[in-house]
Amino acid sequence: QVQLVQSGAEVKKPGASVKVSCKSSGYTFTSYHMHWVRQAPGQGPEWMGIINRSGSTTTYAQKLQGRVTMTRDTSTSTDHMELSSLRSEDTAVYYCVRDSGKYGGSHWGQGTLVTVSS
Amino acid sequence: QSALTQPASVSGSPGQSITISCTGTRSDVGHYNYVSWYQQHPGKAPKLMISEVSSRPSGVSNRFSGSKSGNTASLTISGLQTEDEADYYCSSYTGNSLYVFGTGTKVTVL
Repeated sequence: QVQLVQSGAEVKKPGASVKVSCKSSGYTFTSYHMHWVRQAPGQGPEWMGIINRSGSTTTYAQKLQGRVTMTRDTSTSTDHMELSSLRSEDTAVYYCVRDSGKYGGSHWGQGTLVTVSS
Repeated sequence: QSALTQPASVSGSPGQSITISCTGTRSDVGHYNYVSWYQQHPGKAPKLMISEVSSRPSGVSNRFSGSKSGNTASLTISGLQTEDEADYYCSSYTGNSLYVFGTGTKVTVL
């Protein structure tokens, strides 16, 4: 069965960076793109970006351009999302979401809570 | 990219049908047949219920159906059940590998 297992919760100070990992299993890793989605407390999901199957191409939401970097290691079937210059508004649960192949997210990681606080 | 517009809440009695709307623009919902719907229970990750406007993934109840007209997509839940009480979000492809989510709708089963 498809599984996406994310790294643990993080607490960061404003201005710092955070890197969240997402290890995939149960499917051919290089056959699917990966999205990253975040959800602030009490808010709806926000699409952050996507990395393609091979890891060669990324597309980021405009508001995060310059602060977010998505990478993937095909040798370990692991995706990474790094967000820099953290602010309190970045406090959220961050999810990796495997693309369904039909322009949707079919499988979600368990989520990683990132708290930004001084 | 602005969030797609959904009603904040919709309610219905068990057995009834309800419809949730998701309004975008000619550049997203109106242009692409790539609207997805997600169900989210408290403290859980969202679950894909509908993709490509009306396609149900394996395992999703046929009580859930999707449609689209112009710039507005809709999710209909028929035979409403208590376990359907959750938050629902739409999402649309907007071109150039970009996506946007809706504002979310809280479904209450009376």
